[in-house]
Amino acid sequence: DAGVIQSPRHEVTEMGQEVTLRCKPISGHNSLFWYRQTMMRGLELLIYFNNNVPIDDSGMPEDRFSAKMPNASFSTLKIQPSEPRDSAVYFCASSRAANTEAFFGQGTRLTVV
Amino acid sequence: GENVEQHPSTLSVQEGDSAVIKCTYSDSASNYFPWYKQELGKRPQLIIDIRSNVGEKKDQRIAVTLNKTAKHFSLHITETQPEDSAVYFCAADRGRRALTFGSGTRLQVQP
Repeated sequence: DAGVIQSPRHEVTEMGQEVTLRCKPISGHNSLFWYRQTMMRGLELLIYFNNNVPIDDSGMPEDRFSAKMPNASFSTLKIQPSEPRDSAVYFCASSRAANTEAFFGQGTRLTVV
Repeated sequence: GENVEQHPSTLSVQEGDSAVIKCTYSDSASNYFPWYKQELGKRPQLIIDIRSNVGEKKDQRIAVTLNKTAKHFSLHITETQPEDSAVYFCAADRGRRALTFGSGTRLQVQP
């Protein structure tokens, strides 16, 4: 298996633009997570899906952030409009169940200027 | 929700010495406690994990201990090597919920 695949690896965008991050989880994994990593706040859970259904989105910063999982093999995280404070590395991770090993993708480094 | 505190934030040891990183958690329902290693510019990767029905687990130079009564768990690395230099994260779940991560410990092993 190729592991969790994220795209793009790097994204530079101007403030106010829409940004869409993409994730393909490992086949057979029922749980999918989006995390954001910054120096100041560490690894923060944004949203957790189980069997394509959002279970916990309490970490989503505000209405500018939205996430979808239309099927078991694809998820998106959208920021609209983007702001400089959204600059971070965004990781997608998947696991067979919430309380088992989470496999991380390579991350998307987002820079909003 | 779950709160995970991790100490120290930075740790510098001489090659061959031991390193210990400690974490505490708040939710007594947590039963899965993994440790992740993240090298510079790379993704976090699992190095060892422990469940609440076990007090200690060892894998070569790495060991993890869990005290459920006190709600704390620790990572022990013996005979440290320069390639152990990285950021280490502890984490805890709450039942079948997503992992909450500690703030990370930057370990530097001096040759």
